[in-house]
Amino acid sequence: NAGVTQTPKFQVLKTGQSMTLQCAQDMNHEYMSWYRQDPGMGLRLIHYSVGAGITDQGEVPNGYNVSRSTTEDFPLRLLSAAPSQTSVYFCASSYSLQGVGEAFFGQGTRLTVV
Amino acid sequence: QKEVEQDPGPLSVPEGAIVSLNCTYSNSAFQYFMWYRQYSRKGPELLMYTYSSGNKEDGRFTAQVDKSSKYISLFIRDSQPSDSATYLCAMSGLIQGAQKLVFGQGTRLTINP
Repeated sequence: NAGVTQTPKFQVLKTGQSMTLQCAQDMNHEYMSWYRQDPGMGLRLIHYSVGAGITDQGEVPNGYNVSRSTTEDFPLRLLSAAPSQTSVYFCASSYSLQGVGEAFFGQGTRLTVV
Repeated sequence: QKEVEQDPGPLSVPEGAIVSLNCTYSNSAFQYFMWYRQYSRKGPELLMYTYSSGNKEDGRFTAQVDKSSKYISLFIRDSQPSDSATYLCAMSGLIQGAQKLVFGQGTRLTINP
């Protein structure tokens, strides 16, 4: 019973590098989201998707790109990493949009940009 | 002003104590109120979920919503060391035509044996 799987768990990037954070869910949820968690800031929404082929921006989208080609996968791309993107990133999926129903979170990806 | 305000703590209490965690919010459009629990180096997990005003009890946990005061609470009775975690309040509603979910900053709670 995998739920939401994120890879990698840890990553160190140099400023200017790009990378993709992977997220996959096996619950057939339509809604998927990416959050970043920083000390004292709580969870902030980066991008979300209401189904395959449909994505939209959240609260802090700059510097990130997403696509949703299948129901299962929702990768997050960092285009040109900056130290300000050092954070813990969580992917979440839910049956319904934005809290009307339980959101399931992955284990997180700890990203450090040096 | 943040839409959801939550005291980040940290909060440290002895085992067996009653714990009260609180959040205030500013947008009256929020209708669904949730508490998530996050253990260290893990993702958040849904703990309690309530709709509109009122109380909801689940074992040692009670969630309370007062929409007139824009105030929600989570009470933990007979607290256990295994309750040590960060607790995040969250709330959602239809705002400016879009369903929006907002999290509080999280309160780090430690229960001392």
